[in-house]
Amino acid sequence: GNSVTQMEGPVTLSEEAFLTINCTYTATGYPSLFWYVQYPGEGLQLLLKATKADDKGSNKGFEATYRKETTSFHLEKGSVQVSDSAVYFCALRDGAGNMLTFGGGTRLMVKP
Amino acid sequence: DAEITQSPRHKITETGRQVTLACHQTWNHNNMFWYRQDLGHGLRLIHYSYGVQDTNKGEVSDGYSVSRSNTEDLPLTLESAASSQTSVYFCASSDPRGPGQGYNEQFFGPGTRLTVL
Repeated sequence: GNSVTQMEGPVTLSEEAFLTINCTYTATGYPSLFWYVQYPGEGLQLLLKATKADDKGSNKGFEATYRKETTSFHLEKGSVQVSDSAVYFCALRDGAGNMLTFGGGTRLMVKP
Repeated sequence: DAEITQSPRHKITETGRQVTLACHQTWNHNNMFWYRQDLGHGLRLIHYSYGVQDTNKGEVSDGYSVSRSNTEDLPLTLESAASSQTSVYFCASSDPRGPGQGYNEQFFGPGTRLTVL
């Protein structure tokens, strides 16, 4: 079956530091890949997505590249802000279906 | 603006009681989903629906049921609440139509925090 593994948190960084959150996946088909963000007390919001190998998703300074050869979709940001403090979820959607499979989530804490 | 809402936002109940969590979306989406969020497990799919009168079991469906009588609503019922069902519950919806299958996005509600004592 499908599965998503992401690094456990919390990840604590100082403002303006470089961020990487690792995500790897297992899927039987050719999935679409997503990063969702959950701010405190809120539901999940789509941050970025990529639908095929070598696609790069980007939004709000965050980037992730769909690497089929390493089955990875690592999230990066060059300079984090306090407002980026949230929980980040990597997810995949199997090419044939509409359901999402989520990783366990990674909490990011950014200190001033 | 279209939105997806959940009620109540917080609920405390006792073991053995029946509980229903409401989810209402005004996106006119065909697809609706219920997830539970637990520490260390991320989000796990409970039930989902691809349209009126359609319901399907997800990964952790035992002890839960849903019904879809219209496009807008997918209530989640806990038949006999158990302490193991203490969790945060999220409803989501998506539209399978669009520029391509890879581009449809799930929109999430704000969540319901359920405590079963």
